[in-house]
Order: sequence, then C-alpha cells, then structure tokens
Amino acid sequence: ILNVEQSPQSLHVQEGDSTNFTCSFPSSNFYALHWYRWETAKSPEALFVMTLNGDEKKKGRISATLNTKEGYSYLYIKGSQPEDSATYLCASPVYGSARQLTFGSGTQLTVLP
Amino acid sequence: NAGVTQTPKFQVLKTGQSMTLQCAQDMNHNSMYWYRQDPGMGLRLIYYSASEGTTDKGEVPNGYNVSRLNKREFSLRLESAAPSQTSVYFCASSESGTSGNTIYFGEGSWLTVV
Repeated sequence: ILNVEQSPQSLHVQEGDSTNFTCSFPSSNFYALHWYRWETAKSPEALFVMTLNGDEKKKGRISATLNTKEGYSYLYIKGSQPEDSATYLCASPVYGSARQLTFGSGTQLTVLP
Repeated sequence: NAGVTQTPKFQVLKTGQSMTLQCAQDMNHNSMYWYRQDPGMGLRLIYYSASEGTTDKGEVPNGYNVSRLNKREFSLRLESAAPSQTSVYFCASSESGTSGNTIYFGEGSWLTVV
C-alpha cells in the first residue's frame, strides 16, 4: 500500500444494523491513524487518533481498531441510526513526514430508517 | 466556542481574479493547515504552518500562497484563479504539527471559478 485507501466507497444499511469499513495505509514508518466523521455542509469532526498497534478506541456506538504491522484500521458502528449518515474519513502520514496527513477518499454511509 | 472560523463561506470568481480566504482559530494552536476537497478525492493538503512564522508546501501548492499573519490567523491567497481551483477549502488547526494530534476543521469555503 502506497497511499491511504478506504473501502467500501459507499454503503447503505438499515437502521439498527451494525456495519464496519476499512482503512488501509502504508505500514512502514507509521506515525498515527486518524478517523473523522464528516456531515455535508459541516466541519469534519475528529473521532479517534490512534498511535499504537493493537489500539482499540470507542466513542458511544462507534469503535475502531488498529493493526500497524499489516497497515489497516477498522471502524465499527453498532446499531446504526439515521444520524450516523455521514462520510467517514481516515488519514495517516504517507510521505515520510509526520506533519502531513494524507486522507483517504472516505466511506459514505447512509442509514435508512 | 468558535474553534476554527473561515471566511467567506461561498464565493464565485472569474478566471484570472484574485481572492484571499481568511482563517482564524481561538484554541491557541501552533499549527494551521489549508486543505481542498474535490469529489471522489480525500482532503488534500495545500499548505501548512507548523508554527507562527513558518509555512511549508503540502501536496498541491501550485497556484496558491499563504500567510501566517500571527498565531491565530492563516490566510490562503489565489493570485489568478483558474477553473481547476473550483473546490471546497478547509482551514484547520492542531496543537502541534505532529500527526498524533487531533486536527480541528473550519466549516469550509465553497469556491467556484467560472
């Protein structure tokens, strides 16, 4: 992996379903992995910043795991609600500088009532 | 709690016109950033300022200039706007410039160049 990649690009789930999506990033020279939630016409909002292999973080019904050795992170949403509809972005430094985050193109989640 | 404030929110420019996007943060952060967001692409870093008095190029700096006016303010200037610069621009800040720090974003500026 030479860049930050997210999958799937978009996802539709029913209210109450649990879901997860993936962020892949370069595993060499790892510094940190960020997850953001972005609703249209609003600011991207930080969910998690993860730095250690094996890290698991949780915020309400949203949780994330990190595997720095293989270069991936999963974001889980338990019991999805319509208000969870948003684009979820991950980011990690790619170009060898800890200062420059490279963002993935995001996973657009739509939760249907 | 204002956080990161950027202006204007919407702007239409003609090709060749110039304009400046203003950004201010009230969190006493050292580092500030300008990103652009285009459909199907992630946020791409234009320029950043790791601390007051310093600025550095990001991934897509061509056609832009920046000024870190003081610790609070970081402006982005388009000297001669081109249709390729039609985008949503986000200003952001963080406590320091290392990637372990949370980044706080403004609400975005929608710029159309015709």
